[in-house]
Amino acid sequence: AQTVTQSQPEMSVQEAETVTLSCTYDTSESNYYLFWYKQPPSRQMILVIRQEAYKQQNATENRFSVNFQKAAKSFSLKISDSQLGDTAMYFCAFLRGSARQLTFGSGTQLTVLP
Amino acid sequence: DAGVIQSPRHEVTEMGQEVTLRCKPISGHDYLFWYRQTMMRGLELLIYFNNNVPIDDSGMPEDRFSAKMPNASFSTLKIQPSEPRDSAVYFCASSRGLNSPLHFGNGTRLTVT
Repeated sequence: AQTVTQSQPEMSVQEAETVTLSCTYDTSESNYYLFWYKQPPSRQMILVIRQEAYKQQNATENRFSVNFQKAAKSFSLKISDSQLGDTAMYFCAFLRGSARQLTFGSGTQLTVLP
Repeated sequence: DAGVIQSPRHEVTEMGQEVTLRCKPISGHDYLFWYRQTMMRGLELLIYFNNNVPIDDSGMPEDRFSAKMPNASFSTLKIQPSEPRDSAVYFCASSRGLNSPLHFGNGTRLTVT
């Protein structure tokens, strides 16, 4: 079975600064996908970024980027130029290439301070 | 694209009552998922459908829970009878294809008293 671990239950960052959220996972699969989802107080789950395991290049979406270390099974999210609207719970998620079961980590509550 | 639409947004009911949660997936998406979110257990997959057919319901807690997808644009999750421990946020999500990201609805917060 796959497991996803987010070891930081809470983090805070000053507005305009950079913050990195950690995620590790455990799998024996070679074909898989990794995601970061954001859940603001509105409760909606919003896809932030996606990484295919077969791609060596780290995914980037505007201010959001990942550091994907496949051998270490690490998938961290970097948020640059943090904004107040980035305040949310962030979930790391793992998807096997052969199945549709998305496994979520326990989440990291990020607070951006003015 | 209106996104995944769930109703109701909030539901408060008494123990023993039947509860029905509804979901309209994004048009063209062939996978539909029901997740439950609690503080204790995080996000759990309950069941998912592919082309309206249930594929994996191993996450459904017990026989009190049932889900249907009568057509490509509608799904229900029913709890009968409801219990206080069913209180949670229930999310519906949909996706197109096997490895595409899931798009979530806004969830239904269920409170069973």
